[in-house]
Amino acid sequence: DGGITQSPKYLFRKEGQNVTLSCEQNLNHDAMYWYRQDPGQGLRLIYYSQIVNDFQKGDIAEGYSVSREKKESFPLTVTSAQKNPTAFYLCASSTSGGTGELFFGEGSRLTVL
Amino acid sequence: GENVEQHPSTLSVQEGDSAVIKCTYSDSASNYFPWYKQELGKRPQLIIDIRSNVGEKKDQRIAVTLNKTAKHFSLHITETQPEDSAVYFCAASVSGTYKYIFGTGTRLKVLA
Repeated sequence: DGGITQSPKYLFRKEGQNVTLSCEQNLNHDAMYWYRQDPGQGLRLIYYSQIVNDFQKGDIAEGYSVSREKKESFPLTVTSAQKNPTAFYLCASSTSGGTGELFFGEGSRLTVL
Repeated sequence: GENVEQHPSTLSVQEGDSAVIKCTYSDSASNYFPWYKQELGKRPQLIIDIRSNVGEKKDQRIAVTLNKTAKHFSLHITETQPEDSAVYFCAASVSGTYKYIFGTGTRLKVLA
């Protein structure tokens, strides 16, 4: 069954802690993305990757980091430098970045206590 | 920078009526314009898309129109049904990149 899997679905973190959100896809897509969703602000791009070992900052990259060591995996780390990390995080992939459908995971909801 | 504006932010219609959601984009070289539907607690899913070489595209009760000169594109839903209630996002590709910029979303409520 092909698709994108995000984990965990819910995550609680104390202030000052780093946390890593997992995103795995078995669609054989080259491009992968991380978006942040806040009420009334739509989907804002954090980072994206066109190919393995390459990634670019999106519009709100500060306080986040990513890696792309394997085609199927694109983990996102929310660092303690992110001032307002409580949000819903969506991972997506595309076979033809910029010109084709984005396939989204089910999302991870991070709450900072 | 690149920007996509979406209006209205909320829209309530009676079942059976039509709904229209409008977006404007800033990058005149954008060439791909998808629309996503996100039901409560679920992931966004593509419902229709249009490319810059086409002015209109239909799929049953939904249609999208594109005005490249004005940099506008719109989603039209006819004969709305309660299951159309969701948040709808427009997006535009950013030329020369793999990026997509999303609008802020429209919460559509179809009243029975």
